[in-house]
Amino acid sequence: NAGVMQNPRHLVRRRGQEARLRCSPMKGHSHVYWYRQLPEEGLKFMVYLQKENIIDESGMPKERFSAEFPKEGPSILRIQQVVRGDSAAYFCASSPTSGEAFFGQGTRLTVV
Amino acid sequence: DAKTTQPNSMESNEEEPVHLPCNHSTISGTDYIHWYRQLPSQGPEYVIHGLTSNVNNRMASLAIAEDRKSSTLILHRATLRDAAVYYCILAGRETSGSRLTFGEGTQLTVNP
Repeated sequence: NAGVMQNPRHLVRRRGQEARLRCSPMKGHSHVYWYRQLPEEGLKFMVYLQKENIIDESGMPKERFSAEFPKEGPSILRIQQVVRGDSAAYFCASSPTSGEAFFGQGTRLTVV
Repeated sequence: DAKTTQPNSMESNEEEPVHLPCNHSTISGTDYIHWYRQLPSQGPEYVIHGLTSNVNNRMASLAIAEDRKSSTLILHRATLRDAAVYYCILAGRETSGSRLTFGEGTQLTVNP
């Protein structure tokens, strides 16, 4: 059973470009979470999704950030018009209906 | 979210036991105590969780104080691979569906 797969592992974007981060949850997991870890800071919750539904987006910045978890395919975290302050490691986690959360290896976004 | 307090850092020697403390004086009756760890450049990894009784699994043991205001994660024989940041988190019974609030954690250094 493959773990949570995130890609790309590293992403470089120029200011103003769009960043799309993908997360494939573990097989059988219906809950997906996105967390962000800024340099030298702790992990911060961003959004919790189930298939085709956003359950809790209280940690998402109000502008430029969006997330989806479609019926088919991976969950996508999309950042429009990236700025230097978006440079961070973005982690996706998935869990089954009940049980602990499993995290991916993360996508390290660098905005230049 | 109820808050947890952990030492910033701890040091241990290889093959010796490690006791990582966590204070959570404002814990509510429904809060479970979860431990995750994050190895360098990786996503967080579930370690153990419990409610009132001490818990054991293949990775570690969790000792919970009788008043539940503190707990201790015990690594019975530290290895170099155990060097990581350890997070003590209060959440619902299952982390599924729960946003995890990560604090600063304890940076564990294991000396050979």
